[in-house]
Amino acid sequence: GEDVEQSLFLSVREGDSSVINCTYTDSSSTYLYWYKQEPGAGLQLLTYIFSNMDMKQDQRLTVLLNKKDKHLSLRIADTQTGDSAIYFCAESIGSGGYNKLIFGAGTRLAVHP
Amino acid sequence: EAQVTQNPRYLITVTGKKLTVTCSQNMNHEYMSWYRQDPGLGLRQIYYSMNVEVTDKGDVPEGYKVSRKEKRNFPLILESPSPNQTSLYFCASSLSPQHYEQYFGPGTRLTVT
Repeated sequence: GEDVEQSLFLSVREGDSSVINCTYTDSSSTYLYWYKQEPGAGLQLLTYIFSNMDMKQDQRLTVLLNKKDKHLSLRIADTQTGDSAIYFCAESIGSGGYNKLIFGAGTRLAVHP
Repeated sequence: EAQVTQNPRYLITVTGKKLTVTCSQNMNHEYMSWYRQDPGLGLRQIYYSMNVEVTDKGDVPEGYKVSRKEKRNFPLILESPSPNQTSLYFCASSLSPQHYEQYFGPGTRLTVT
């Protein structure tokens, strides 16, 4: 069945790079996403990658997609305290005529001085 | 401002007392959805609606009802809440059922005692 796995916790020092990893099972995924959830807030779409791409860069964010291994990663360069949040990996699958999102459990990123 | 709003943001109730969580979007979106977020499980879809008067079950619909009488509103109804429905609930919407991006509300934290 559909499943998205990611590690639950990551701690990094301010200024270092953070890498959050995710694996998914459905090879027919159309898009893969990274959402950010700050304390007390809803989910904010951080970035996404279309399934026929290998990499996408957006300022400090780099998304790498390895379709063969069904592995997605998010790299945050020069991590800041404001990056502390929960990061959700999600895949979209076409299901019954709509774009169904399957979420991982979320990775809590803690940035310390 | 384009947004998805939910009310209430926090609710503590007792087992069996019917409640409704409202969701409204001002973006003229066709597609709306409800998710629940539980620690270690990520977000799971409860119900979704592809348009007015069209609703369908997600992955965890038991104990919930929805209605979509108007395009902008998609209330979530718990007829007889139980403690296992204690969770963080998110409403989301997107332009169309196939659109890649979903916009999330701020969340409703529900506690059932």
